[in-house]
Amino acid sequence: AQTVTQSQPEMSVQEAETVTLSCTYDTSESDYYLFWYKQPPSRQMILVIRQEAYKQQNATENRFSVNFQKAAKSFSLKISDSQLGDAAMYFCAYRSAGSNYQLIWGAGTKLIIKP
Amino acid sequence: GAVVSQHPSWVICKSGTSVKIECRSLDFQATTMFWYRQFPKQSLMLMATSNEGSKATYEQGVEKDKFLINHASLTLSTLTVTSAHPEDSSFYICSARKPGTGIETQYFGPGTRLLVL
Repeated sequence: AQTVTQSQPEMSVQEAETVTLSCTYDTSESDYYLFWYKQPPSRQMILVIRQEAYKQQNATENRFSVNFQKAAKSFSLKISDSQLGDAAMYFCAYRSAGSNYQLIWGAGTKLIIKP
Repeated sequence: GAVVSQHPSWVICKSGTSVKIECRSLDFQATTMFWYRQFPKQSLMLMATSNEGSKATYEQGVEKDKFLINHASLTLSTLTVTSAHPEDSSFYICSARKPGTGIETQYFGPGTRLLVL
């Protein structure tokens, strides 16, 4: 069975600086998808970024980028120029490429932005 | 876009009553919707997968007679918590799979806070 591990329960960063959130996963599959979701205090889950395992190029979305290391089974999220609005819980999630569309979730990392 | 709405946003009910939560995909058709439960400061726990026109698939440990799921159309799934008790108090979130090419991402509703007195 696949598992997702987020080893940092909480991270803090100074506003305008860069922070990296860690995520590792375990799978025997070769084709899958990885996601980072953000859950602010409103508790609305928001998709931040996604990555197809077959793509070597790391995904980027404005200030958000990932470092996808397939061999190491690592999928870290880098947030550049951190803003107060980035404060939230961040969840890493894995999904098989097969017909089962279920997401497997990490425990989450709480990101605190210091003004 | 991919917008998912959830109604109500929060509800308080008496023990023993039933509560229905609606999940709608507003700008796309969702053949598959998911229902999650989230306890404070924890990750999401998948309760069931709802496929349009068929019975929901429940995760191990989730009582299907307690949490009734209906996915009658491509844009609507409902979760009914029957004979609710205080231990059912939680945050319930739905998501909808947006079909198409490439990654078929799940988009989430804003959640429903349920408090059973």
